[in-house]
Amino acid sequence: DAMVIQNPRYQVTQFGKPVTLSCSQTLNHNVMYWYQQKSSQAPKLLFHYYDKDFNNEADTPDNFQSRRPNTSFCFLDIRSPGLGDAAMYLCATSGGLAGLGEQYFGPGTRLTVT
Amino acid sequence: DAKTTQPPSMDCAEGRAANLPCNHSTISGNEYVYWYRQIHSQGPQYIIHGLKNNETNEMASLIITEDRKSSTLILPHATLRDTAVYYCIAGRGGNEKLTFGTGTRLTIIP
Repeated sequence: DAMVIQNPRYQVTQFGKPVTLSCSQTLNHNVMYWYQQKSSQAPKLLFHYYDKDFNNEADTPDNFQSRRPNTSFCFLDIRSPGLGDAAMYLCATSGGLAGLGEQYFGPGTRLTVT
Repeated sequence: DAKTTQPPSMDCAEGRAANLPCNHSTISGNEYVYWYRQIHSQGPQYIIHGLKNNETNEMASLIITEDRKSSTLILPHATLRDTAVYYCIAGRGGNEKLTFGTGTRLTIIP
């Protein structure tokens, strides 16, 4: 089945140690999103790619970066994780035959910072 | 994007219809109403969306008032697996971003 895959599902990193989360999709969608969801809060958009065009949200900290080497893959890099960055990170896609705003989410990566 | 307002929590008996309200009084003419749900520890799942007309799919029905200031998501025969946080979002569609509000935590009671 076409889907959005996130690896790993659980990630533990140390304070200040760079970490990369990955997302891949088999939907061939042209838009990919990264959301941060802290405990008991709604998902919050960090940035998204429309094809190769990167769109950063105004309040996304510089500590968060992203790469999209091709249509299928997108990475979230946290350069120096702090304790406040512990959260679920969700990848989503949209586009293709949908194109009316439906986003398809992966299962998320839960990041713990020690 | 227009702001949406939802009750923080609701209960529904298993097998009954769950009716989840959403207010979006500032919605603009080109904004759709989207519903997503998030089951515990999973990514959000798209349910349904609409612009003006009522919509139905295999998961749910969406009733939008004529003035488009509010809507109701209906799960016709709720099961325990429908226990989740339900988000109502107003957005312009296409590949525009979605802004999630606080949602309604729906609990299905056996």
